[in-house]
Amino acid sequence: DTVLTQSPALAVSPGERVTISCRASESVSTGMHWYQQKPGQQPKLLIYGASNLESGVPARFSGSGSGTDFTLTIDPVEADDTATYFCQQSWNDPFTFGSGTKLEIK
Amino acid sequence: QVQLQQSGTELVKPASSVKISCKASGYTFTSNYMHWIRQQPGNGLEWIGWIYPGNGNTKYNQKFDGKATLTADKSSSTAYMQLSSLTSEDSAVYFCAREGPYNPYVMDAWGQGASVTVSS
Repeated sequence: DTVLTQSPALAVSPGERVTISCRASESVSTGMHWYQQKPGQQPKLLIYGASNLESGVPARFSGSGSGTDFTLTIDPVEADDTATYFCQQSWNDPFTFGSGTKLEIK
Repeated sequence: QVQLQQSGTELVKPASSVKISCKASGYTFTSNYMHWIRQQPGNGLEWIGWIYPGNGNTKYNQKFDGKATLTADKSSSTAYMQLSSLTSEDSAVYFCAREGPYNPYVMDAWGQGASVTVSS
């Protein structure tokens, strides 16, 4: 299975720029998507196809990358962005998710 | 708007089975794949499989083959997942998620989750 590796946690101040990384154990082309999950809630799609912003998601969120290295950027960060962010690949079978990066806003 | 309403909390005994439902509204149920995802306590997300309600075709993550069975009822726009031979390892929150109409394998709407606890 394709393993997606994310750093476990980050802490930033409001107004700063934050980048969350996701590295795949094998190429996933641009079949990478990003989700935000707040405590007690379901995941919410932010970015699909590595760099496409889902409708209704603020333009503060952006994604980049291809192959094995991907990044989710939030600029500027707001207090409401406190959440866990998961990457998910859909290029290889089975679909897999990263373990999540917990973002804390100081 | 697209809504996926899942059934509630389940407390079940080891070795038993449980069936979780996911009622869809706001779109044509038979035109989109429905995925199921597991989230164990404190853990990440695992993809279980998908069903295409239009024809009942399914695909499973090999890890869940024999554990999960996906079905769909077109008349009520409801997808189901049955989990069998339950152990404590199956205690988790289970989500259904719709695959968007324009982007293959992208889950653009999720249910609120159904919590399953396996305990004697």
